[in-house]
Amino acid sequence: SQTIHQWPATLVQPVGSPLSLECTVEGTSNPNLYWYRQAAGRGLQLLFYSVGIGQISSEVPQNLSASRPQDRQFILSSKKLLLSDSGFYLCAWEEDRGLYGYTFGSGTRLTVV
Amino acid sequence: GQQLNQSPQSMFIQEGEDVSMNCTSSSIFNTWLWYKQDPGEGPVLLIALYKAGELTSNGRLTAQFGITRKDSFLNISASIPSDVGIYFCAGRAAGNKLTFGGGTRVLVKP
Repeated sequence: SQTIHQWPATLVQPVGSPLSLECTVEGTSNPNLYWYRQAAGRGLQLLFYSVGIGQISSEVPQNLSASRPQDRQFILSSKKLLLSDSGFYLCAWEEDRGLYGYTFGSGTRLTVV
Repeated sequence: GQQLNQSPQSMFIQEGEDVSMNCTSSSIFNTWLWYKQDPGEGPVLLIALYKAGELTSNGRLTAQFGITRKDSFLNISASIPSDVGIYFCAGRAAGNKLTFGGGTRVLVKP
């Protein structure tokens, strides 16, 4: 069966520090991968998505970047965090035909101080 | 771009009540999905709908794909305290990414 792993679960980082959040999917090949951010009690904002290795589409210009170095690995990064980068970050995957819904990871709570 | 309006934004439930929420779209969707998010967790898929008019249940949850293909609703019957959370609708037009509604926050009446 397919599983999605996201880590770390929580992270407190100072302003100006770098960021690296990792997401991996098991049990499937060539998944579509997504990074979302959610402000407290709010909706889901799509940040990046990828349909294949090295293929990244950005939805919102910002202080963040994404990379897909392997088929089932999706990384969210920042060189210098801002206070406004705080939030709940969710990774999600779907099978490449896109017939069904997304499966979300358990999320990373990022607090920039 | 596609937009989903989800309402209400929040609601209070009392144990045993039936509650409903809905989503409307500015464009036609081929798929409607409903998710629930518990605090501190990722959203979990509750119900998926693939045909206009389709009515699907999952336990006490029932969702319908609107005939116009521009709306969907979710009903929770006989609500219980663990129904609290944020419910998201999501729609997909052919070949596109999912579009999510803004969420309905379900809270327990004090």
